[in-house]
Amino acid sequence: KNEVEQSPQNLTAQEGEFITINCSYSVGISALHWLQQHPGGGIVSLFMLSSGKKKHGRLIATINIQEKHSSLHITASHPRDSAVYICAVRSGYGGSQGNLIFGKGTKLSVKP
Amino acid sequence: AAGVIQSPRHLIKEKRETATLKCYPIPRHDTVYWYQQGPGQDPQFLISFYEKMQSDKGSIPDRFSAQQFSDYHSELNMSSLELGDSALYFCASSATGAGEQYFGPGTRLTVT
Repeated sequence: KNEVEQSPQNLTAQEGEFITINCSYSVGISALHWLQQHPGGGIVSLFMLSSGKKKHGRLIATINIQEKHSSLHITASHPRDSAVYICAVRSGYGGSQGNLIFGKGTKLSVKP
Repeated sequence: AAGVIQSPRHLIKEKRETATLKCYPIPRHDTVYWYQQGPGQDPQFLISFYEKMQSDKGSIPDRFSAQQFSDYHSELNMSSLELGDSALYFCASSATGAGEQYFGPGTRLTVT
């Protein structure tokens, strides 16, 4: 079983729809990252969370530490949001000083 | 704002050759992480450095070595290249081991 599980693996939405991507993890963490990867490979950091909720533009990320679960929401989705969204956690305990453990990503396609 | 710089962006090598990938972190960032993303795979942590010292080690083959220099840039040296080393290699930097990681554009290595 992977330490970081994302769902769904693939998601197709119509422009304007509200989108939710979920992430569950099984290890103790010090922070959780949501990343965006476009075709061609570049990775952009969207959020780093250790508790609560963060908002940036049309993106909202929440985390529930007790339930070991995080969600990424996209409001009023747009075709330019099409990308792979990756959840990654940082354990930060013991010998691990900050490296990330990645989920397998959610491939989002937003149709006009 | 300055971002993480990686060079080269693309590299083609033959089996058994060597390759050197370079990473220049964001100014005043003292921590560098290296990740490897195989085709269709999620990124895997290779190695990290904090203040020029190795801070953590992941699934880095013995054929690979890395270091961080006095100006905080890092180099990943890969010897006896194998076909399976073909991947996208990301470098990320953070202001501390606990800070948000910012990713470079990646170096796409193809081994033929």
